[in-house]
Amino acid sequence: AQKITQTQPGMFVQEKEAVTLDCTYDTSDQSYGLFWYKQPSSGEMIFLIYQGSYDEQNATEGRYSLNFQKARKSANLVISASQLGDSAMYFCAMIGGSYIPTFGRGTSLIVHP
Amino acid sequence: DSGVTQTPKHLITATGQRVTLRCSPRSGDLSVYWYQQSLDQGLQFLIHYYNGEERAKGNILERFSAQQFPDLHSELNLSSLELGDSALYFCASSDPYSLGTDTQYFGPGTRLTVL
Repeated sequence: AQKITQTQPGMFVQEKEAVTLDCTYDTSDQSYGLFWYKQPSSGEMIFLIYQGSYDEQNATEGRYSLNFQKARKSANLVISASQLGDSAMYFCAMIGGSYIPTFGRGTSLIVHP
Repeated sequence: DSGVTQTPKHLITATGQRVTLRCSPRSGDLSVYWYQQSLDQGLQFLIHYYNGEERAKGNILERFSAQQFPDLHSELNLSSLELGDSALYFCASSDPYSLGTDTQYFGPGTRLTVL
């Protein structure tokens, strides 16, 4: 069975600072995908970034980067130069060979001016 | 805008009733996923369809059923509704064989309130 663990229920960061949101995963699959989603207070789920288990380079998408450490089974999201609009819930997720997606419980990020 | 549409946006109904939630995937996406998000359970995967066929099943109650039609839209049917079924229901779509990543794009959700 797959499992995603997000140990930080809430995080605070100062505007323009960088922040790391932790995610560890557990799976017996060799091939899998890791994802991060953002859910602002308006409720929609917004795809941020993807990392494949065979990708050797860490994924980056603008101010978002995924710090992928396969041996440690971690897939932390790094947001650089935080903005007030980054305040939201962030979910880490994975899909393996079973086609069953698994989401973490989420981390609430608050960006202070 | 993800390109995934869900109707209705809000739904208020009574216990014991039956409702149907509708989802239209992004153009060209063959996969549709359904999720339930509640405060105490988080985001729970319900079911996954690929090109009309059920591919994976999660924590979906027997009172719930879904299908994907030939035009690829999907419906989630919830029956004998209970207070605990009140939640935000998301549909997501993906095209894993085109992008190779199975990245899911979520619709805006249907807020179901059971009174």
